[in-house]
Amino acid sequence: AQTVTQSQPEMSVQEAETVTLSCTYDTSESDYYLFWYKQPPSRQMILVIRQEAYKQQNATENRFSVNFQKAAKSFSLKISDSQLGDAAMYFCAYLTNTGNQFYFGTGTSLTVIP
Amino acid sequence: NAGVMQNPRHLVRRRGQEARLRCSPMKGHSHVYWYRQLPEEGLKFMVYLQKENIIDESGMPKERFSAEFPKEGPSILRIQQVVRGDSAAYFCASSPPNEYEQYFGPGTRLTVT
Repeated sequence: AQTVTQSQPEMSVQEAETVTLSCTYDTSESDYYLFWYKQPPSRQMILVIRQEAYKQQNATENRFSVNFQKAAKSFSLKISDSQLGDAAMYFCAYLTNTGNQFYFGTGTSLTVIP
Repeated sequence: NAGVMQNPRHLVRRRGQEARLRCSPMKGHSHVYWYRQLPEEGLKFMVYLQKENIIDESGMPKERFSAEFPKEGPSILRIQQVVRGDSAAYFCASSPPNEYEQYFGPGTRLTVT
């Protein structure tokens, strides 16, 4: 079965600085999808960024970018120019190539310091 | 196009009662997924349904839990004889046919007292 590991339970960053959240995964599939979700105190799951494994180019969405290393099975999230509204739990997630189910990491709690 | 809707948002049940959680997928979405999030954990897959069919229930507990997605109406996750360990947030997601991305609802927070 696929597993997703987030080794940083908590991280903090100064406002306007850059922070990187780590994620590694284990799979025997060659085709799959990777996601970062943000979960604020409201508990709504908000999609931050996604990456298709067959694409070599790293995904970017405004201040959010990923470093996808397929051979190393690593998928880190970089948040640039951190804002107070970025404070939340961040979950890394793996989706099978059949799209049937997500596998989530245990999350990283991000604090943004004013 | 309204997003995935879940109700109730909060549900309190006493031990031994039944809990019914409802999920209305986005318009045009025929695939529904249920996930459970225990405190301090990530979401865990429970079941994947299409209209009138259970496709994958590998994450569902063997007893007391059931799910359905009828031809008409919302998907229902039913938990019979709830216990304190069932207290969690339950999320529903939906996707259209032939697309991989799942769209999450706001979740139902179940508290068993």
